[in-house]
Amino acid sequence: NAGVTQTPKFQVLKTGQSMTLQCAQDMNHEYMSWYRQDPGMGLRLIHYSVGAGITDQGEVPNGYNVSRSTTEDFPLRLLSAAPSQTSVYFCASRTRARQGGLYGYTFGSGTRLTVV
Amino acid sequence: AQRVTQPEKLLSVFKGAPVELKCNYSYSGSPELFWYVQYSRQRLQLLLRHISRESIKGFTADLNKGETSFHLKKPFAQEEDSAMYYCALSDTPSNAGGTSYGKLTFGQGTILTVHP
Repeated sequence: NAGVTQTPKFQVLKTGQSMTLQCAQDMNHEYMSWYRQDPGMGLRLIHYSVGAGITDQGEVPNGYNVSRSTTEDFPLRLLSAAPSQTSVYFCASRTRARQGGLYGYTFGSGTRLTVV
Repeated sequence: AQRVTQPEKLLSVFKGAPVELKCNYSYSGSPELFWYVQYSRQRLQLLLRHISRESIKGFTADLNKGETSFHLKKPFAQEEDSAMYYCALSDTPSNAGGTSYGKLTFGQGTILTVHP
């Protein structure tokens, strides 16, 4: 199992450009989420999905789009990049099934995005 | 609405001293609570889950529903414990049935520094 894979690891964009951050998981998890991490603000939820074809907005959705056409993939699209979107982006996944023990959300290694 | 508060942005202790990282939450139902650790802006790793007695690296946390707290404790801190710690709450119900959304809400994080 590769777990949760995010690409790219680093990206520099110019203001106004668009791009897609990729997230894939091979654990057949129903839940997938995108977070952004900013100093002093913790991780804030951008969008999440409870299964293929179902997505919803989180705390800070403006400027971002998502889709979930398969269970494995949950790409995050920046429509027109702005300097305020400079951040580290994390994708996470979890199964809906009840699990005992030390089990929770699995995170990817992050994408560090700079918008100039 | 669910909310997680970590009142300390920074916490410094000396090696061998006890450490307690505070976490308070607000949630109308039965929460599922976690502690995550992040070393040098790497991916987040699950440290604790409130319904599990397992832990990693000697940390423990007790859910106090009366005080709505889930403080993280370790009796003897080690230098390698220096990291960012996040408390998080999920609205996924732990019992079968009902609607679950898989949303994970984070506190703002506490940077723990353990001095030699």
